[in-house]
Amino acid sequence: DGGITQSPKYLFRKEGQNVTLSCEQNLNHDAMYWYRQDPGQGLRLIYYSQIVNDFQKGDIAEGYSVSREKKESFPLTVTSAQKNPTAFYLCASSAWGTGNTIYFGEGSWLTVV
Amino acid sequence: QQQVKQSPQSLIVQKGGIPIINCAYENTAFDYFPWYQQFPGKGPALLIAIRPDVSEKKEGRFTISFNKSAKQFSLHIMDSQPGDSATYFCAASTGGSNYKLTFGKGTLLTVNP
Repeated sequence: DGGITQSPKYLFRKEGQNVTLSCEQNLNHDAMYWYRQDPGQGLRLIYYSQIVNDFQKGDIAEGYSVSREKKESFPLTVTSAQKNPTAFYLCASSAWGTGNTIYFGEGSWLTVV
Repeated sequence: QQQVKQSPQSLIVQKGGIPIINCAYENTAFDYFPWYQQFPGKGPALLIAIRPDVSEKKEGRFTISFNKSAKQFSLHIMDSQPGDSATYFCAASTGGSNYKLTFGKGTLLTVNP
C-alpha cells in the first residue's frame, strides 16, 4: 500500500543525545515536510524539501537537521541543541504545486529524559 | 504571532448535533484554507478545503463556510456521530503552497452517543 512510514513510533532518549527519526514515502511525491506537534498546539513546520539534495528551514528549525539524499526518504535529526525536544513529530509529503494535498505519516513520539 | 486563531479549544455535542468550529485570520494574502482531522496517535488527514472565491463547500456531512470580508471560516459537521470524535485543525496558506501552511491550535471534538 502507498503511504508514509515513520519509525520508530516511540523513542526515549537521554538529554544531550542526538536522535534520528526516519521517514519513508512510496507515493512518488517530490515534496516532504517535518512538523512538530505539542499538546494543545497546532502543527509547526520544522523543515521541508522540494527536491532531492535540497531543503529549506521552516518556522522552528533551530536544533534540528535533515537530509534528502533520496526522493523517498527525509530523515530528521533532533540534536542536543534543541532545548525542548519532547514532542510528537509528523512527517508529510505532497506533490509539488498549488494546493496539492499533504499526506501525513502516523507520527513519532520522542521523549527526552 | 498566531496567524490563524481557532475556537473553541474543545467542544462536546450529542450524537446528531451540529458542531461548529471557527477560525479567523489576519493575512489577506491567504488563499487556501484546508481542514484536517486527527485521531489520537495518528497523523492528520485532509478533510475538506476551500478557496476564497466561494462562500461554501460541502463534502458529505462536512461543510466549510467562508466569509472573506470578516476573514473567517468555519467547519460544520451535520448529523455528528461518535466516530467524528477527533481533533480538528484549520489551516491557511498563500499561493496554495503547502510549505506555507499555518495551522490553528486545534479543536478537540467529542460526540457523545
